[in-house]
Amino acid sequence: AQKITQTQPGMFVQEKEAVTLDCTYDTSDQSYGLFWYKQPSSGEMIFLIYQGSYDEQNATEGRYSLNFQKARKSANLVISASQLGDSAMYFCAMREANTGGFKTIFGAGTRLFVKA
Amino acid sequence: NAGVTQTPKFRVLKTGQSMTLLCAQDMNHEYMYWYRQDPGMGLRLIHYSVGEGTTAKGEVPDGYNVSRLKKQNFLLGLESAAPSQTSVYFCASSSVAHSGTSGYEQYFGPGTRLTVT
Repeated sequence: AQKITQTQPGMFVQEKEAVTLDCTYDTSDQSYGLFWYKQPSSGEMIFLIYQGSYDEQNATEGRYSLNFQKARKSANLVISASQLGDSAMYFCAMREANTGGFKTIFGAGTRLFVKA
Repeated sequence: NAGVTQTPKFRVLKTGQSMTLLCAQDMNHEYMYWYRQDPGMGLRLIHYSVGEGTTAKGEVPDGYNVSRLKKQNFLLGLESAAPSQTSVYFCASSSVAHSGTSGYEQYFGPGTRLTVT
């Protein structure tokens, strides 16, 4: 069965430093997609980055990069040069390709605190 | 282009009351979803729809019903509210097609905070 595990309930990082948020997943499918979403205190869910299981290169979007280690089934989010506005909840999610665009499973989330 | 909107934003119900949450999207997306978010549990899928007139159960469907009479709208109904349904409800939508590094990302509404007393 699909499962997403985020083992860090909370993380602290100093402004301008990099931080890694951990995510491990479990699936028996070969084709799947991995996502990261940000939820600020205002509550909305914001899509950050996507990695396909067959993508050979790690995904990057601005200050966000996804450290994809397929053999270890991990998809860690790296935020470079942290900003105060990065303080939020971060969710890792996975969709198996054979389910189309639905049945995306979310992890419990990691709350990131950026210190000035 | 409003994206995904949800109505209402907040609601307090008494046990046994009914209500309908409305979700609307203007991106012509095929897929729509209803999630609930509870502390420490992330988002859990309640029901989803892969197109107008079709719906299916997600991970936690009990106590909820849905309808998708129009492509742009997805309604979530609670027939007899229970305190266990106190939660934040999110609607989302996504496209069928994808290209390049885009991968069916879901676009979320702002959420509805529901309290059942």
